[in-house]
Amino acid sequence: RKEVEQDPGPFNVPEGATVAFNCTYSNSASQSFFWYRQDCRKEPKLLMSVYSSGNEDGRFTAQLNRASQYISLLIRDSKLSDSATYLCVVPRGGSQGNLIFGKGTKLSVKP
Amino acid sequence: DAGITQSPRHKVTETGTPVTLRCHQTENHRYMYWYRQDPGHGLRLIHYSYGVKDTDKGEVSDGYSVSRSKTEDFLLTLESATSSQTSVYFCAIRATSGGPGDTQYFGPGTRLTVL
Repeated sequence: RKEVEQDPGPFNVPEGATVAFNCTYSNSASQSFFWYRQDCRKEPKLLMSVYSSGNEDGRFTAQLNRASQYISLLIRDSKLSDSATYLCVVPRGGSQGNLIFGKGTKLSVKP
Repeated sequence: DAGITQSPRHKVTETGTPVTLRCHQTENHRYMYWYRQDPGHGLRLIHYSYGVKDTDKGEVSDGYSVSRSKTEDFLLTLESATSSQTSVYFCAIRATSGGPGDTQYFGPGTRLTVL
C-alpha cells in the first residue's frame, strides 16, 4: 500500500451535490490526519484536522476508519467556491512532525 | 494567517546559476520546511529545520542546501540550477495544535523556472 493514496479525480459535480473523497494510508501508527484545500496556483490551506473517529465543520465532514486505514471527506451542498484540489495528509511518524501529502483530488463544482 | 512570506515570488534563471529562495516567519516557530510541488508528484519535502543551525534532509534533497542562522529565516539554495528544478517551492511552519498532531501552515510559494 502506498503511504498516502487518493483518487485524483477530477470530480465534476453540480452545485448543491454531495461529494465524497477517499484516502488510504499505510502507517497504522498515525494518530492524526488532515485535509488541506489548495486553490489553483495558491498554497495549501488547512481545511480540517481528524483525531478520533471523525470531525464535522459546517458542510464538511471528515471520517476516520483506523481498522481499514481509510479517511474520507464529505462535502454537502457543494458551492462553486468549493472548486479546488483536496489533499489528504498523514504524519510520517517520529518526533520531527513531518507530514506525507497525498497527490490530491480535484473537485470542480459547476452551476 | 501564519505570518509566512517567501521571496522572490517568481524567478526565471538559467541552467548552472545559483539561486537562493527565502522564507521568513514572524511568529517564532521552531520548525520550518521547504517543499516542492510538481504535477503528478504532489508536495515533496526537500529539507527541514528544527532550530537555528539545525537542519535535516527530506525525500528530495539532492541539489539543494539550506541554512537557518536566525529563527525567522530559512533559506533554500540551488547551488547550480537545473531544468529539473523548475517547480513551485513552498515554505511551511509547524504549528502546535494542542491536539495529538501538529499541522503545518504554508507560505504563498515561489515559482521558479530554470531555462
